[in-house]
Amino acid sequence: NAGVTQTPKFQVLKTGQSMTLQCAQDMNHNSMYWYRQDPGMGLRLIYYSASEGTTDKGEVPNGYNVSRLNKREFSLRLESAAPSQTSVYFCASSLQGKGSNQPQHFGDGTRLSIL
Amino acid sequence: DQQVKQNSPSLSVQEGRISILNCDYTNSMFDYFLWYKKYPAEGPTFLISISSIKDKNEDGRFTVFLNKSAKHLSLHIVPSQPGDSAVYFCAASGWEKLVFGQGTRLTINP
Repeated sequence: NAGVTQTPKFQVLKTGQSMTLQCAQDMNHNSMYWYRQDPGMGLRLIYYSASEGTTDKGEVPNGYNVSRLNKREFSLRLESAAPSQTSVYFCASSLQGKGSNQPQHFGDGTRLSIL
Repeated sequence: DQQVKQNSPSLSVQEGRISILNCDYTNSMFDYFLWYKKYPAEGPTFLISISSIKDKNEDGRFTVFLNKSAKHLSLHIVPSQPGDSAVYFCAASGWEKLVFGQGTRLTINP
């Protein structure tokens, strides 16, 4: 019973490098999300996908792109990594997003350091 | 502009006593509130929720209270156990998104 799986768990990049964080869920959820967690800031929404084929910006989208590859997978791409993107990244999914109060289920996170 | 605030970064409680975690919000359009619990190196896990049409919801040792006029919610854990030591996030739901507070680190002392 995997739930939400994120890869990789850890990554160190140099400034300017690109990287894609992968996320997959096996709960047949419609909505998927990417958050970043920084000390004292809680979780902030980067991008979300309310359903397959749609994506929308969240609170902090600058410097990121996303792809909802299919219903299961939602990837986050850093095209040119910057030290300010050092953070822990969480992927989440929920049965429904829009107009719903379904709890979100989270992966265990990707710890990303940009040097 | 922090729409959801947890003003206590940390809280220490003796085992067996009550733990009370607080959360304030500013936007009256939020219609659903949730609490998540997070252990180190793991993702947040859903704990308990409450709709804005209610003022209390209980689930075992966990009770969430909502005071809409004060835009305040609280999570009560009683009795507190060592396994409750974690970071707790409150979140408010509106439109299509969740807005999270900064989190409160709860430590239960034996």
